[in-house]
Amino acid sequence: GAGVSQSPRYKVAKRGQDVALRCDPISGHVSLFWYQQALGQGPEFLTYFQNEAQLDKSGLPSDRFFAERPEGSVSTLKIQRTQQEDSAVYLCASSFRDTEAFFGQGTRLTVV
Amino acid sequence: AQSVTQLDSHVSVSEGTPVLLRCNYSSSYSPSLFWYVQHPNKGLQLLLKYTSAATLVKGINGFEAEFKKSETSFHLTKPSAHMSDAAEYFCVVSAFRGSGYSTLTFGKGTMLLVSP
Repeated sequence: GAGVSQSPRYKVAKRGQDVALRCDPISGHVSLFWYQQALGQGPEFLTYFQNEAQLDKSGLPSDRFFAERPEGSVSTLKIQRTQQEDSAVYLCASSFRDTEAFFGQGTRLTVV
Repeated sequence: AQSVTQLDSHVSVSEGTPVLLRCNYSSSYSPSLFWYVQHPNKGLQLLLKYTSAATLVKGINGFEAEFKKSETSFHLTKPSAHMSDAAEYFCVVSAFRGSGYSTLTFGKGTMLLVSP
């Protein structure tokens, strides 16, 4: 595609609900990253995929966060039993190996 | 560990005046440094990057940044602000993690306000 696409753009979840956030990277991009951007902060690294392999999940804040990229293209970030502190913008970025990362517009998650 | 500190949370300028957004970095080795811009409801866009070549880096839309190792700084400048420059700017350092990838560590951001 023309750019990194994320859906939904906005998600409101009740506390305790499970959510799934989708990322469509640029076609052919091997690397895929998820970042979390809390209000008034810079984005923080969550996890990294190289094709379908999740090579780094050191930034995932708890075991309620889970990410997958089963066919090496589309990725899903899942958050189980959402809490208020999970409210943030979730950004996806992709790159062709270790080159410039292109970011999507993000999904704004609000937990009420 | 790598980190960046953006010294101003907000900077206000008038259209046509110079812009200076300040950034200091900390890195245990020679860093790769970036500036990204984030317009409301739009994705992060790369303005420029430094990767150990020329210390003065030119980016898009007339922005440039100078890498100063002695001062551990990477300040972003533009000679003349335009209304369309109003956005949030992030200073970013790259950390090589091995296995052929790097992750980005962002500063907290500087909101640039441009008045007519």
